[in-house]
Amino acid sequence: DVKVTQSSRYLVKRTGEKVFLECVQDMDHENMFWYRQDPGLGLRLIYFSYDVKMKEKGDIPEGYSVSREKKERFSLILESASTNQTSMYLCASSLGIAGVGETQYFGPGTRLLVL
Amino acid sequence: GENVEQHPSTLSVQEGDSAVIKCTYSDSASNYFPWYKQELGKRPQLIIDIRSNVGEKKDQRIAVTLNKTAKHFSLHITETQPEDSAVYFCAAGKGYSTLTFGKGTMLLVSP
Repeated sequence: DVKVTQSSRYLVKRTGEKVFLECVQDMDHENMFWYRQDPGLGLRLIYFSYDVKMKEKGDIPEGYSVSREKKERFSLILESASTNQTSMYLCASSLGIAGVGETQYFGPGTRLLVL
Repeated sequence: GENVEQHPSTLSVQEGDSAVIKCTYSDSASNYFPWYKQELGKRPQLIIDIRSNVGEKKDQRIAVTLNKTAKHFSLHITETQPEDSAVYFCAAGKGYSTLTFGKGTMLLVSP
């Protein structure tokens, strides 16, 4: 069974704080993704990574950065948290086979509240 | 980039009825169309997917149909049960690429 874990289920931070969200997968997946989920907006891709130290912007990267120093770990960083970044953040991973549609396995999510 | 529209946003049915959720996509190069189910408070999980070389796929009470010409695909759930109540997301992708998700449909199945 693929297991994707996220460092926190709930976080409360102050405006301007630097926030780290961590995601770990245990199935040697190549691809990792960060989404945010907001009511009525679905899942929107923030950043993704196809390999260690590689990152690509998704649809809504502004205000976020990422780090992938090890294959199993993908971190999302909010350099200076703002109230409009209050959301549910979901990490996902997939195996990484070129040219084939693949299942993405999601973590349990981190609900972030920025005050 | 790809744009995926999903309808309806909410759907209420009686137990035993059928439910249909529809999605349209904009990029004719998209060739992979998964559906994810997210129960309340839980993570999204893949329930069924279809690739562009297939027009229909079934898995027990769930089926997905794809019309490439019209660029739309649909999820069909027959004999709905209360445990089918969840948010369903469609998505579209192409080859070695990311997925674009629809905004989701909240399905409520009443006993």
